[in-house]
Amino acid sequence: DGGITQSPKYLFRKEGQNVTLSCEQNLNHDAMYWYRQDPGQGLRLIYYSQIVNDFQKGDIAEGYSVSREKKESFPLTVTSAQKNPTAFYLCASNKGGQLVTEAFFGQGTRLTVV
Amino acid sequence: GDSVTQMEGPVTLSEEAFLTINCTYTATGYPSLFWYVQYPGEGLQLLLKATKADDKGSNKGFEATYRKETTSFHLEKGSVQVSDSAVYFCALCNFNKFYFGSGTKLNVKP
Repeated sequence: DGGITQSPKYLFRKEGQNVTLSCEQNLNHDAMYWYRQDPGQGLRLIYYSQIVNDFQKGDIAEGYSVSREKKESFPLTVTSAQKNPTAFYLCASNKGGQLVTEAFFGQGTRLTVV
Repeated sequence: GDSVTQMEGPVTLSEEAFLTINCTYTATGYPSLFWYVQYPGEGLQLLLKATKADDKGSNKGFEATYRKETTSFHLEKGSVQVSDSAVYFCALCNFNKFYFGSGTKLNVKP
């Protein structure tokens, strides 16, 4: 079955450490997105990529970094510069291009800083 | 910039009651509109969508009509079930960027 997979589901990090969240899709989608969700709040865009080897900052990119070396993969690194990283992180993808299609979401990674 | 505003929750209803969750948007051009549902601890699942004015999206008894004149996309269901309890997000997509509302939590009591 095609889909989008995030791992791990739960992640604990010590303060001052970088951590990388995985996002893989086998939907042959060009566009991929990372969102952050805080309790009781909506989704805020961190980074997005419309095509391999290209990505753009979203609304809250500070303290995060991404790469898009393969079409299927869009890992997110939460760096020590992110002041409040505890949150639920969601990865999404869609076909991209001129045709607007719905975004498909992974199951999320809950990151807790201890 | 583009944005989505939806009614704050939580919304608490009895089973078989009528549901409306209001959603309005601000956008340039001609966005596509979506409703997503999120169950606890999970990602978002597409509930329905509409890609142009006057389109009606529908799925699992839920409906929403794209109203360009009022810039709205209200979600409705005639008879809710306990299993509909979840958080509902209204979203728009414009130039392949998605914007989400803050979510409305729905609690349905038996």
